[in-house]
Amino acid sequence: SQQGEEDPQALSIQEGENATMNCSYKTSINNLQWYRQNSGRGLVHLILIRSNEREKHSGRLRVTLDTSKKSSSLLITASRAADTASYFCATKAGKSTFGDGTTLTVKP
Amino acid sequence: DGGITQSPKYLFRKEGQNVTLSCEQNLNHDAMYWYRQDPGQGLRLIYYSQIVNDFQKGDIAEGYSVSREKKESFPLTVTSAQKNPTAFYLCASSIVPGGAETQYFGPGTRLLVL
Repeated sequence: SQQGEEDPQALSIQEGENATMNCSYKTSINNLQWYRQNSGRGLVHLILIRSNEREKHSGRLRVTLDTSKKSSSLLITASRAADTASYFCATKAGKSTFGDGTTLTVKP
Repeated sequence: DGGITQSPKYLFRKEGQNVTLSCEQNLNHDAMYWYRQDPGQGLRLIYYSQIVNDFQKGDIAEGYSVSREKKESFPLTVTSAQKNPTAFYLCASSIVPGGAETQYFGPGTRLLVL
């Protein structure tokens, strides 16, 4: 079974708006990672948050982690058309950890 | 440049044919992985290797085989036993074998059946 489950499945917003996507997982973790995949390409690592961290920032990205609820959220602020992609969370390399992702469409 | 490469970008398979997808990394990573991605879906783990000359089955290993004779190379063979091979195949590597650390992905190979 898959560890990470992203929500919503699809999200469509206007350029400049914020985008929030969520990830839920089932077992305890050491850390959680978010990846981006542009259509037809490989995945690119965005950010890693460790289990003892609650929030982490990287540029326009903000990730939160709530280990009591076994959930994480990724916020992209001031979105751009170039942010259009699928976003995945992952919790453990070497195991089937990727859900179906959230497909984000940012309209110019 | 350090990175992970996959070839070819597109691969066509005839009925009953075995085909091999290449994955090479110069990141000096111990662990390497193969994933399959079907349209609109997430990644499913086929095989992974934590060290040279060792590999383990993932969730969907049937119809696939791998080898890990060198640290930098982890080729995937799609055998004729795989009845529905059309998909996007992604190779990845990570520093820490089996750990929950960052994976670095190649650009992928799209396999199509003639």
